[in-house]
Amino acid sequence: QVQLVESGGGVVQPGRSLRLSCVGSEFNFRNYGMHWVRQAPGKGLEWVAVTSYDGSKKFYGDSVKGRFTISRDNSKNTVYLQMNSLRVEDTAVYYCARRSGWAEHFDNWGQGTLVTVSS
Amino acid sequence: QTVVSQEPSFSVSPGETVTLTCGLSSGSVSASFYPSWYQQTPGQSPRTLIYNTNIRSSGVPDRFSGSILGNKAALTITGAQADDESDYYCVLYVGTGIWVFGGGTKLTVL
Repeated sequence: QVQLVESGGGVVQPGRSLRLSCVGSEFNFRNYGMHWVRQAPGKGLEWVAVTSYDGSKKFYGDSVKGRFTISRDNSKNTVYLQMNSLRVEDTAVYYCARRSGWAEHFDNWGQGTLVTVSS
Repeated sequence: QTVVSQEPSFSVSPGETVTLTCGLSSGSVSASFYPSWYQQTPGQSPRTLIYNTNIRSSGVPDRFSGSILGNKAALTITGAQADDESDYYCVLYVGTGIWVFGGGTKLTVL
């Protein structure tokens, strides 16, 4: 059974940085693209970023472009989200999700990690 | 900027059929957008229901179905049950490595 486990969330001041991690197991991690999706408190889901299976291609949502960086280390079965210049509006639960091998959807989700940006 | 629209809320009685829709600010939704649907209950991670317009994810009951209705993607629940009360999100792949979520529909079953 596919497992995705996020970590690295916490409370951080505006303007500071934080790095999230997501470890995948029970599947061949290096064969799959990986997403980050977030959900602000009481709000809907928002797509954040995606990396290709080998990390060569990366795409971002408009609200995080230029501040967040997605990366991966296939030797560690881990995808990262480096978040810089954090804003109050980045407060959310951040989920990692596996990109399906076909039909462009999110086929497995982690449990999420909460990031709170507050002074 | 691409906006994906969903009904903010919907109410259905147990046993009835309900159709939730997913539209696009600029044009029609087609299968080429790979519409997918996700169910989320409070405090839980999203659960994948439907992908590639109409394919049910593993373990999803067959009362959930997906389609294209007119110029929108649609999720139909046939014979709604109490535990279908959830938030439902559609996602469209708009190309060039970009996905866009709809705002979600809060479904009440009463």
